Amino acid sequence: EVQLVQSGAEVKKPGESLKISCKGSGYSFTSYWIGWVRQMPGKGLEWMGIIYPGDSDTRYSPSFQGQVTISADKSISTAYLQWSSLKASDTAMYYCARLPLGVYGDYSGYFDYWGQGTLVTVSS
Amino acid sequence: DIQMTQSPSSLSASVGDRVTITCRASQGISNYLAWYQQKPGKVPKLLIYAASTLQSGVPSRFSGSGSGTDFTLTISSLQPEDVATYYCQKYNSAPPFTFGPGTKVDIK
Repeated sequence: EVQLVQSGAEVKKPGESLKISCKGSGYSFTSYWIGWVRQMPGKGLEWMGIIYPGDSDTRYSPSFQGQVTISADKSISTAYLQWSSLKASDTAMYYCARLPLGVYGDYSGYFDYWGQGTLVTVSS
Repeated sequence: DIQMTQSPSSLSASVGDRVTITCRASQGISNYLAWYQQKPGKVPKLLIYAASTLQSGVPSRFSGSGSGTDFTLTISSLQPEDVATYYCQKYNSAPPFTFGPGTKVDIK
């Protein structure tokens, strides 16, 4: 069974750093791209970026480039999303999700399996 | 970047009604479109990919159609458990694979 298990809720102050995680199981973690999606309170889904754990190839949305860092440790089947200096506007639910394989073995850009979400609250 | 719009932004319908949600891309995206359902307080769930392919386990009352710039998600007979927000997502060409703004579906 494919599972993506995310780390628990976080409460941080503005300016602090944070790294949240997403552990994959039940499939070959290094063969599938993993993405991150933001959902601010009461708002819609925002595509942040994706990473290929096999070689850490990463693609970002222009809206999030430079604001967050996506990484992965294939030895422990875990992807990460991190901030170096949080802002109140980073308060949101963050989901990781898997991209299925594409016809040519790369990826199809939609998400077939999702993590349970990590709620990040940034408040002074 | 290609922009995605959805209409209506919300709707209220009776149990058993046929419900149609529209998603429009600002440029042609062939059939590279997915639909997701997000129930209140829950994780998004993939319903349809490639514009019209039903994800395994999704009830057959859900269907998708369209190609190019105009797409529809249809619920043939609305059920109480279908109360949710529905999002389209384009995934043609290169990232970012933008989501639409969502359509909230309620029971009248």
